[in-house]
Amino acid sequence: GAGVSQSPRYKVAKRGQDVALRCDPISGHVSLFWYQQALGQGPEFLTYFQNEAQLDKSGLPSDRFFAERPEGSVSTLKIQRTQQEDSAVYLCASTLSGASYNEQFFGPGTRLTVL
Amino acid sequence: QQQVKQSPQSLIVQKGGISIINCAYENTAFDYFPWYQQFPGKGPALLIAIRPDVSEKKEGRFTISFNKSAKQFSLHIMDSQPGDSATYFCAAGQGTYKYIFGTGTRLKVLA
Repeated sequence: GAGVSQSPRYKVAKRGQDVALRCDPISGHVSLFWYQQALGQGPEFLTYFQNEAQLDKSGLPSDRFFAERPEGSVSTLKIQRTQQEDSAVYLCASTLSGASYNEQFFGPGTRLTVL
Repeated sequence: QQQVKQSPQSLIVQKGGISIINCAYENTAFDYFPWYQQFPGKGPALLIAIRPDVSEKKEGRFTISFNKSAKQFSLHIMDSQPGDSATYFCAAGQGTYKYIFGTGTRLKVLA
């Protein structure tokens, strides 16, 4: 079966533009996560969904960041009025359920460059 | 208290050698410690994980050693191969979703 897919794989935006990043989790996976990975760093948690419910958004760096998963499958991370410090790889991961100790399967990421 | 400190930042090992990467955490509430492997342009992939009720877990050439009292854990790659050249991340979670990742170790195995 297919893994987690993300699109676009690369996005270049001018400072101030809005961007939308898409994540298609593994079919049937209940939980979905977004991470931000700066160059040379480990992934940092942004937000977590269980089905369509956003249970934790404590990692979102500012109110310019918004994530949704309206039907409990595909998720979109939106960044408004992008800034240069938003340049990073945005990773999406999914797990089968919200139970403990389930492996998080990561997508390939979207590399965002803000000029 | 949420940090996970990882060392070394980079590591060069000869083929057939042992690669050792270390991590330390502060939050005693963490109870799940996965290691992820990441190749350039790819997302991280789970390599091996441990819970603190055991001191060691081995899967093939990969072993996690866990020291609960010292709040440290390490990854040992035995018989390292050029195909193991990648970036390795340790992580810690509170039995659930919110992993805290280390800063990564870039491993290069020389042929």
